[in-house]
Amino acid sequence: DADVTQTPRNRITKTGKRIMLECSQTKGHDRMYWYRQDPGLGLRLIYYSFDVKDINKGEISDGYSVSRQAQAKFSLSLESAIPNQTALYFCATSDSGWTEAFFGQGTRLTVV
Amino acid sequence: AQSVTQLGSHVSVSEGALVLLRCNYSSSVPPYLFWYVQYPNQGLQLLLKYTTGATLVKGINGFEAEFKKSETSFHLTKPSAHMSDAAEYFCAVSDVSTPPLVFGKGTRLSVIA
Repeated sequence: DADVTQTPRNRITKTGKRIMLECSQTKGHDRMYWYRQDPGLGLRLIYYSFDVKDINKGEISDGYSVSRQAQAKFSLSLESAIPNQTALYFCATSDSGWTEAFFGQGTRLTVV
Repeated sequence: AQSVTQLGSHVSVSEGALVLLRCNYSSSVPPYLFWYVQYPNQGLQLLLKYTTGATLVKGINGFEAEFKKSETSFHLTKPSAHMSDAAEYFCAVSDVSTPPLVFGKGTRLSVIA
């Protein structure tokens, strides 16, 4: 099993719908992150969490919200999806020593 | 604030030729530097990292990178390209005080037979 698991892997949704992307990890890490990847723009940070009670906005948090349900679970929500939120979304984890980040396989989201 | 610049959004090399992917960073404190690779339809995999110590770091699949503080660079090299190296490569920077990784925009490497 993968260390960082994202569900769903692919999703098509309509404009205005609420959608949740889920991430779970078995690394035992405290720190979790959500990134968005767009062609030519690299990965941009949406939100991050250093522990269950800590949530921080990243570079592009507008239109998104997150929930850290447990040490191992970090979900990303789009309250009212819009087409320019069509992208590849990655969840990542790291330990407090910050030796590296471990990434999930990604969720490809299309908003029509 | 930290930032990363990757020179060249697309690099094409012949099989067996040298691979050189360029990365320059900006950081106000000693940086942690990373190279990640993304194969089609996959997540990101760590190639190599520099945190402290030796400035020439070796990674997986024959890649290496050298941290040059005076040039604020962390270029990725491989002596001989293989077809399986075709992928997108991301340089990233962090530091101990602000851990979330900041990524460059990526460089797509094509390998021509």
